[in-house]
Amino acid sequence: QKEVEQNSGPLSVPEGAIASLNCTYSDRGSQSFFWYRQYSGKSPELIMSIYSNGDKEDGRFTAQLNKASQYVSLLIRDSQPSDSATYLCAVNKDSGGSNYKLTFGKGTLLTVNP
Amino acid sequence: EADIYQTPRYLVIGTGKKITLECSQTMGHDKMYWYQQDPGMELHLIHYSYGVNSTEKGDLSSESTVSRIRTEHFPLTLESARPSHTSQYLCASSGPIMGNTEAFFGQGTRLTVV
Repeated sequence: QKEVEQNSGPLSVPEGAIASLNCTYSDRGSQSFFWYRQYSGKSPELIMSIYSNGDKEDGRFTAQLNKASQYVSLLIRDSQPSDSATYLCAVNKDSGGSNYKLTFGKGTLLTVNP
Repeated sequence: EADIYQTPRYLVIGTGKKITLECSQTMGHDKMYWYQQDPGMELHLIHYSYGVNSTEKGDLSSESTVSRIRTEHFPLTLESARPSHTSQYLCASSGPIMGNTEAFFGQGTRLTVV
């Protein structure tokens, strides 16, 4: 089982719709959870971080975390064509010193159609 | 705003040459990472460091080596470049600072070995 799993997509939504991106992780000791956006040929850009169960909203983005289910999601409201990119889920476990790992999923390709 | 810099942005070099990819950050982050990513493919962690003089190999076996003599600097070296090393190399760093463990990426180095 991969440590961080995402559907590779592509996920296609019409402009103005809600895009829902999902991620599961295997290590119950994971503490921090991140969503990155990566445009083709560019480096990943952090868009959301979440550390505790529940929802966290930032503009059109909402991250949701459920540690019991080992599940984290990202909702993008009022999707725009400029949101078309690959979205990477990342999970962090920090037990100090060398016992630290930031692990990425393979990413989900999102296409927003005008 | 993330202050992490990679040089060069693009490098074309002949087989057998020694190369060093530079990565520097001015955020005082203790952790730094090198990822390798081929076009349209997932990120692969090749090296990480959790502090000065502390480095670990990542999940993907790599012929490259790294050093961390100063907190802000994490160079990656290939002693003898081969065409199989052609890829994009991404450097990242993370805290914690004020409890945040968010990781930020440099702009990447696109390496082509001919």
